[in-house]
This record gives sequence, structure tokens and C-alpha cells, in this order.
Amino acid sequence: QKEVEQNSGPLSVPEGAIASLNCTYSDRGSQSFFWYRQYSGKSPELIMFIYSNGDKEDGRFTAQLNKASQYVSLLIRDSQPSDSATYLCAVKEGQGAQKLVFGQGTRLTINP
Amino acid sequence: DGGITQSPKYLFRKEGQNVTLSCEQNLNHDAMYWYRQDPGQGLRLIYYSQIVNDFQKGDIAEGYSVSREKKESFPLTVTSAQKNPTAFYLCASSTTANTEAFFGQGTRLTVV
Repeated sequence: QKEVEQNSGPLSVPEGAIASLNCTYSDRGSQSFFWYRQYSGKSPELIMFIYSNGDKEDGRFTAQLNKASQYVSLLIRDSQPSDSATYLCAVKEGQGAQKLVFGQGTRLTINP
Repeated sequence: DGGITQSPKYLFRKEGQNVTLSCEQNLNHDAMYWYRQDPGQGLRLIYYSQIVNDFQKGDIAEGYSVSREKKESFPLTVTSAQKNPTAFYLCASSTTANTEAFFGQGTRLTVV
């Protein structure tokens, strides 16, 4: 059983600080990695995806991937109260099939 | 307006009943998925389909059935064999070229 692991939190960060969310995965053959944000009672929405080792930046969000360590992270700069949500890490499993395996999510709270 | 539509938003099922959750997309996506989410948990894959008239079991397919007669539609039936069906059900779709999956707004199923 391929696994995706996240710290369930809650993670509490002051407004304006950097929030760092981490995810590890067990399938060394995984090629595609995704971060979703989910507000309470709502469906997940895609924030970032990353396929190559290194950093990928989009506005206040940066995804970091280290395939050798089987580790992917999401940094949120200048955290805002509206960033308070559960963040789900997902890993594409297998070749061709669009089967995504999700971690259990990290609940993030930004304190004003 | 392109998107994924799930209906109904809320559904109540009596013990021993089968119920069908609807999922329709007009994004011209080839792949569609059903996930289940329990409170405080991540998403678990029930079934997925990459093309019309073909689908594969996910990690928790027991007690569920699906069909994929049209590209746009991927209904999920929760049968009486599913002993603990109360959960938040999420439908998603993606292209086969790009791997990001986009979600519908979800159906919250409660057994009464």
C-alpha cells in the first residue's frame, strides 16, 4: 500500500509569518505531486502542482520537491487569516492512470 | 460555465437502501474519480475511470458500484452492502495529458 504522510496538526502560525507544510511519500516511482486547500465543509481546490525537483513559486505559495528524500513541502509567505484551512498533499500513483493518493491533511490556523 | 456538478448536495439514506450520487462534467475530461472523506480524514479512492465503459476499483470499492456510459457522467451507487456509508463524497475529473484533478462541490450522505 503506497502511502502519503502529513502531520495532521493543527499548525498555528501568526499572521504575516511563513507557514511550512510537509509531506512524505512511500512510492519512489511517483512523478507528480499536488497541494490542495480545503475549507471546512467544502471540496478541495488545487493550489500547486510540481513535477521536477526544486522549487516552484506561484504568488505567495512555493512548492518544494526532493525526490531523493521522497519529500514535498508547501510554503505560504505572508500568511493571511484566509489561509486558515486544511492542506492536502496528493501524489500521482502509477503511470498513465490518474490515480491520486492523498495524505490525511494538515490543519493550518493563521492567528491575527 | 465549465465545471463538475455533483447532486444532490445533501442525501439521506435509510438502512438497506441503495442510493445513487450524480457527477457530471463539461470539461471534456477523460478521467473521473470518486473519493470518500470521513471527518478529520483525508480522501480515500473508491473508483476511477480513464475512458468510457471502463473503470477500476480504488482502495475502498466494497459496497459501491459505478458506471461510465458517457464521457460526461460517472454516477456512484452506494449499496446496502456498504455498512458505514455516512461520509462526504467527492467526484473529480482530469485530462489524461495533464494530471491535475478538479473536484465537484461534494455530496454529504447521512444514514438515518
